[in-house]
Amino acid sequence: AQKITQTQPGMFVQEKEAVTLDCTYDTSDQSYGLFWYKQPSSGEMIFLIYQGSYDEQNATEGRYSLNFQKARKSANLVISASQLGDSAMYFCAMREGRGGFKTIFGAGTRLFVKA
Amino acid sequence: NAGVTQTPKFRVLKTGQSMTLLCAQDMNHEYMYWYRQDPGMGLRLIHYSVGEGTTAKGEVPDGYNVSRLKKQNFLLGLESAAPSQTSVYFCATLVRQSYSGANVLTFGAGSRLTVL
Repeated sequence: AQKITQTQPGMFVQEKEAVTLDCTYDTSDQSYGLFWYKQPSSGEMIFLIYQGSYDEQNATEGRYSLNFQKARKSANLVISASQLGDSAMYFCAMREGRGGFKTIFGAGTRLFVKA
Repeated sequence: NAGVTQTPKFRVLKTGQSMTLLCAQDMNHEYMYWYRQDPGMGLRLIHYSVGEGTTAKGEVPDGYNVSRLKKQNFLLGLESAAPSQTSVYFCATLVRQSYSGANVLTFGAGSRLTVL
């Protein structure tokens, strides 16, 4: 069965520093997608970044990058130059490549950015 | 959250009451999903639909029913609410991003349900 594991319930980072949020996954599928979403205190779910299982290069979107290590089944999110507005809950997610495109989520990591 | 509207945003129920959450999308997308979010557990898939007239079970379907009579609407029903169904419910559709080609979940604003 597919599974997403986020082992850091909470993280602190100093403003302007980089931070890595960990995510490991388990799947027997060859084709899958990995995602990160941000949930600020307002409660909305915001898509950040996507990595396909066949993509050879790590995905980047502005200050966000996804460190994809396929053999280790990890998909860590790196946020560079943290800002106060980055304080939020972050969810790692995985979608299978077939059969309804169901997406499963990890338990999340709450990030606190200190001024 | 543009394009995915959930109603109501808040609701308080008594145990045993029934209610329906409505998700409406104006983007003509085929795939729609209902998730529940509980502290420490992330989002868990309740039911989903791959097109009008179709529904399927997700990870935690018990106690819920769904219908997709019209492509734009995906309804989530609780026939006999229980305190364990106190949660925040999110509806989502699958949207293809033009620049990456990835299919990405686009969420509604959420509906907070409390069952007393």
